[in-house]
Amino acid sequence: DTAVSQTPKYLVTQMGNDKSIKCEQNLGHDTMYWYKQDSKKFLKIMFSYNNKELIINETVPNRFSPKSPDKAHLNLHINSLELGDSAVYFCASSQASGRSDEQYFGPGTRLTVT
Amino acid sequence: AQSVTQPDIHITVSEGASLELRCNYSYGATPYLFWYVQSPGQGLQLLLKYFSGDTLVQGIKGFEAEFKRSQSSFNLRKPSVHWSDAAEYFCAVGAKTSYDKVIFGPGTSLSVIP
Repeated sequence: DTAVSQTPKYLVTQMGNDKSIKCEQNLGHDTMYWYKQDSKKFLKIMFSYNNKELIINETVPNRFSPKSPDKAHLNLHINSLELGDSAVYFCASSQASGRSDEQYFGPGTRLTVT
Repeated sequence: AQSVTQPDIHITVSEGASLELRCNYSYGATPYLFWYVQSPGQGLQLLLKYFSGDTLVQGIKGFEAEFKRSQSSFNLRKPSVHWSDAAEYFCAVGAKTSYDKVIFGPGTSLSVIP
């Protein structure tokens, strides 16, 4: 069974469109995250939720909106896509607070905005 | 705030040779330290972590890391590299801040020559 899954794996879209990426974890973890990895492999946290409550909200354009319907799911919706949004987006989860817990990562969603 | 540097952007080693990947962190107290590996097209996987106690930590896949407080370092080592170790390696630090988040270093890309 896949521990952390993301859909879709690849997403190609045009500027100005709205898209969503879905994430699900079956590990029973309380905390979930969204990370953005740019073309230089730099990994930056975007959001973190603990038991459906937003606990980390980094300096991210408000075009990005996370939604956690339950603690097993954390989706990422992006409005008015821009070229600079092209990246690989990783979902991750951990048992509790991320600073001390191992994080389990999904396989990533490669977003290409044309 | 905590920060992580990985001085080597890219390292190439021959199969069977030893490996050391460098990581330096900046934080006022003892942080939580992690090494993650990202194989091509995959998400990140935890290799090992250090919280306290023995400064030499053993991980999966034959990796180990040593915490040196005096040097603010947490270098990753492997005595004999296998071709399958070719990947991106990330050092990360977690610390108690207003947000319990983990900061990832810029990564070191490892190539292995057969």
